[in-house]
Formats: sequence, C-alpha cells, structure tokens
Amino acid sequence: KNEVEQSPQNLTAQEGEFITINCSYSVGISALHWLQQHPGGGIVSLFMLSSGKKKHGRLIATINIQEKHSSLHITASHPRDSAVYICAVRANTGNQFYFGTGTSLTVIP
Amino acid sequence: KAGVTQTPRYLIKTRGQQVTLSCSPISGHRSVSWYQQTPGQGLQFLFEYFSETQRNKGNFPGRFSGRQFSNSRSEMNVSTLELGDSALYLCASSEGARSSYEQYFGPGTRLTVT
Repeated sequence: KNEVEQSPQNLTAQEGEFITINCSYSVGISALHWLQQHPGGGIVSLFMLSSGKKKHGRLIATINIQEKHSSLHITASHPRDSAVYICAVRANTGNQFYFGTGTSLTVIP
Repeated sequence: KAGVTQTPRYLIKTRGQQVTLSCSPISGHRSVSWYQQTPGQGLQFLFEYFSETQRNKGNFPGRFSGRQFSNSRSEMNVSTLELGDSALYLCASSEGARSSYEQYFGPGTRLTVT
C-alpha cells in the first residue's frame, strides 16, 4: 500500500510547455513537500505546503487538504527543469515521512 | 552558511560488515533526518533526531541505528550489511522538528555492498 501516489511516472515535454504533476495521499498530514532531484542524487526542497498555494518563479504548488491532493505546475518549461520530482508528506500521526515514487521529467529544447 | 555535508560520499563494503555514515547539518539546525533511496523502493524514511533524541523511526530492521551528538552532527550505522542495503543514504537538516520547518538535504552517501 502506497501512502503517496504520483502521476505521471514519466513526462516528456517541449520547451515552453505548461507541465502538471499530480500527487495524491491517503494519510492525514501536517505538511506536504515537493522535492527536485537531479541526476547525481542531490535533492532540493521546492515547496512545503500545509494549505493553499505557493509560487516560486515559474513553479506553482497547490494543495487541497479535503481531497488529499496536490499539484506541481511548471510554467514555460525549460530543459534545466529536467529532473525527478518527488512528492513527500509528513503524517500527522507518528510524524513519519512518506514519499511518492517520483515523476521523471524531460524537457526537450 | 555551509550546506549539509555527508561523509563519505562513496563507500564499498562487503556483506556482513558494518558501516557508519556521518552527517553535519547546517549551522544552527537541530534536527537531522535520514533517508534511504533505492531504485526499487524509492525514498524511505529511516529516522529523525532532534536535540540528541530519536523522535521518529521508519520501518527498518534493528540493524539500522543512529545517533545525534550535542553539536547536532549525526551518524547512522548499519550492521551486518546485506546486498539489499546498497543505496543512496541521504540526510536532511532543519531548524526544528516541527513539520513547519523546511528540510535541507545533503548530497548523500552512495553505499555499495558486494
């Protein structure tokens, strides 16, 4: 049983396209994180959300607590956005982290 | 501020041996979490330490242990290594243990068990 489900698993886009990655979770959470992992392993935290919407540059993250769903949007995608995007939640019972399997994004020039 | 550092970056061990990995958090951060990443299982939570106390533990066997020192540096130990322990081990630090604190990840230690 996966507490966090992401879709799609793989995504190829043309430079400039609008991209959406979805995350659904089944546990009660205190926070949801969107992470970016480039080849080589380094992970960067993009967003931490407990409600509503956040925006950093071309990236937008939204969360709907009632529906247990979050989306990560990338506007005007660029080849440097090519990476694996991982959704993670911190459960409010037990305080553990659960991770999605990641979405591998490739942006073609 | 310097980022999260992990040592060593790469390690090759033999089945049955034990290994200790080290994580130095960002200065001022008191919480350190450890994660295992494998191609098959993805990212999995190992444990979280705050002020030298283990606050949470993931679903891993007792061969996996950790500790945190008074300067917030943390180590994790894996005893009796198995081939399946080959993975990227990541640590992350945050200012506190509450969910409202953002996590900052280190570069990871890539462990290969032969």
